[in-house]
Amino acid sequence: AQSVTQLDSQVPVFEEAPVELRCNYSSSVSVYLFWYVQYPNQGLQLLLKYLSGSTLVKGINGFEAEFNKSQTSFHLRKPSVHISDTAEYFCAVSDLRNYGQNFVFGPGTRLSVLP
Amino acid sequence: DARVTQTPRDKVTEMGQEVTMRCQPILGHNTVFWYRQTMMQGLELLAYFRNRAPLDDSGMPKDRFSAEMPDATLATLKIQPSEPRDSAVYFCASGRDSNTEAFFGQGTRLTVV
Repeated sequence: AQSVTQLDSQVPVFEEAPVELRCNYSSSVSVYLFWYVQYPNQGLQLLLKYLSGSTLVKGINGFEAEFNKSQTSFHLRKPSVHISDTAEYFCAVSDLRNYGQNFVFGPGTRLSVLP
Repeated sequence: DARVTQTPRDKVTEMGQEVTMRCQPILGHNTVFWYRQTMMQGLELLAYFRNRAPLDDSGMPKDRFSAEMPDATLATLKIQPSEPRDSAVYFCASGRDSNTEAFFGQGTRLTVV
């Protein structure tokens, strides 16, 4: 079974500073990788996903992530954050082996952008 | 604008009462997921369906929880009897066979007192 680790439970950062949210996964088979964002009292919204091809994936709101197979990582980055990026960010993995396999989510990282 | 619709958005109930949460997946989606979110456990998968058939409900307490899809436009999650420890936000998500993305509803915030 696959699992997802997000080492940082909280990341405070000043506005306009760069940010990296870390995600590592474990799986014995190939996977799809995702980053979701959750704003207060909202559901999860997809930021970006890696399915195949280029390891650098660009998503919405200026975020990007890089898939590193050797390090089993999928870190999320943004060069300059805004106050509105304050939210909870979840990394998720979906196992390609089992058709229809569910998404396994990491524990989340709370990003707080400070003025 | 296609979206997953969950009702109710908020539910407060007394311990021992039956609770039913409903989800309308996005039209054309054939996979439905139920997740529970708490501060302590994060996002936990309770059950998921493909083409209305349950594929995995191993994350769901069988003695009190049940999940069904009476038709392609409705998924339900029931708790009977409810307990205070069931207090959480319950999310429904839907997707297509390609398994490349899950679209989430706004959630149902359940409080059992």
